[in-house]
Amino acid sequence: KQEVTQIPAALSVPEGENLVLNCSFTDSAIYNLQWFRQDPGKGLTSLLLIQSSQREQTSGRLNASLDKSSGRSTLYIAASQPGDSATYLCAVSLSGSRLTFGEGTQLTVNP
Amino acid sequence: EAGVAQSPRYKIIEKRQSVAFWCNPISGHATLYWYQQILGQGPKLLIQFQNNGVVDDSQLPKDRFSAERLKGVDSTLKIQPAKLEDSAVYLCASSLRRNTEAFFGQGTRLTVV
Repeated sequence: KQEVTQIPAALSVPEGENLVLNCSFTDSAIYNLQWFRQDPGKGLTSLLLIQSSQREQTSGRLNASLDKSSGRSTLYIAASQPGDSATYLCAVSLSGSRLTFGEGTQLTVNP
Repeated sequence: EAGVAQSPRYKIIEKRQSVAFWCNPISGHATLYWYQQILGQGPKLLIQFQNNGVVDDSQLPKDRFSAERLKGVDSTLKIQPAKLEDSAVYLCASSLRRNTEAFFGQGTRLTVV
């Protein structure tokens, strides 16, 4: 059974700091990995999708890496802003395409 | 491009009552998912459709939950009868096909009292 763990559960940083969120998964036979953002009371916004054959994906200030063999992914956020405050969720998909989610990292960026 | 639409946004019901949620996926998306997200947890898949066929309903409590996707477009999720532990956000998502990027709706927040 695939299990996804995200560390830390919560993170508070000052504005402008670069930060890394971590995601680990137990079954390395994934099809892809997706990072989402969730604002309070809202749905999930897709940030980045990494296919199993890829090592990283970049979008603006966000960079996600994938190391399938070690069962790890990181989401790097450069020059953080208060608007980045949200819960960040990672999810992995096996070939059946069900997304298995971690419990998220709650990020607070202080002005 | 319109996103995934869900209604209602909020619902409060008493235990043992029934409730239904509606989802309209992104046009052309063949795969539709219903997830349950309990406060403080990540979403958990309830059911996955490919067009109008069920692909995965292994985590759906079938004694009280049901879902359908008529004509391979809109979908409804029903709970009957509701229990207190069903209080959660119910998220609908769609993707172009299996194993492609999933897009989520705003969710329906259900409170069972």
